[in-house]
Amino acid sequence: GNSVTQMEGPVTLSEEAFLTINCTYTATGYPSLFWYVQYPGEGLQLLLKATKADDKGSNKGFEATYRKETTSFHLEKGSVQVSDSAVYFCALRGPLRDSGGSNYKLTFGKGTLLTVNP
Amino acid sequence: NAGVMQNPRHLVRRRGQEARLRCSPMKGHSHVYWYRQLPEEGLKFMVYLQKENIIDESGMPKERFSAEFPKEGPSILRIQQVVRGDSAAYFCASSPSGIHEQYFGPGTRLTVT
Repeated sequence: GNSVTQMEGPVTLSEEAFLTINCTYTATGYPSLFWYVQYPGEGLQLLLKATKADDKGSNKGFEATYRKETTSFHLEKGSVQVSDSAVYFCALRGPLRDSGGSNYKLTFGKGTLLTVNP
Repeated sequence: NAGVMQNPRHLVRRRGQEARLRCSPMKGHSHVYWYRQLPEEGLKFMVYLQKENIIDESGMPKERFSAEFPKEGPSILRIQQVVRGDSAAYFCASSPSGIHEQYFGPGTRLTVT
């Protein structure tokens, strides 16, 4: 079955530091890959996504590249801010043509808590 | 356009009681998904519903758990005779169709004492 493994936290950085949160996956075919962010007290929000190999998703200064050869989708940001403090989840969804539910079920990693200090 | 609403946000139940969690999808969304997050775990799929239909309940425990999404009103996740192991955050998501992006609610944190 599908699975997602992401870097365990917590991660604590100073403002303007470089951020990497590693994410690797196991899936058949070409899944769609996502990063969600959960700010304190709120629901999960889609941060960025990529639907095919070599695609780069980007949003709010965050980037992640879909690497089929290494089955990875690492999240990066060049200069973090205090407001980026949140829990980050890597997730995948099976290809749309797949049957059996993998094309609508999201499979999540355990989440990584990021704290950015001023 | 209001987002996905879930209530209550926090729910405390004693062992053996029933828990009812409500989810109102975004306007125009007729597809609802429930996920559960156990402590130290990622979100796990439980059930996928469309209006008046359960499409996929493969992630739901076979006993004590049920879900519905009636023609009118919110989707309900019902847990009968709760046990301590049911303590978790329950998230609802909605989408306009099964292949579109899922929008998540803030979750209901269930504590069983």
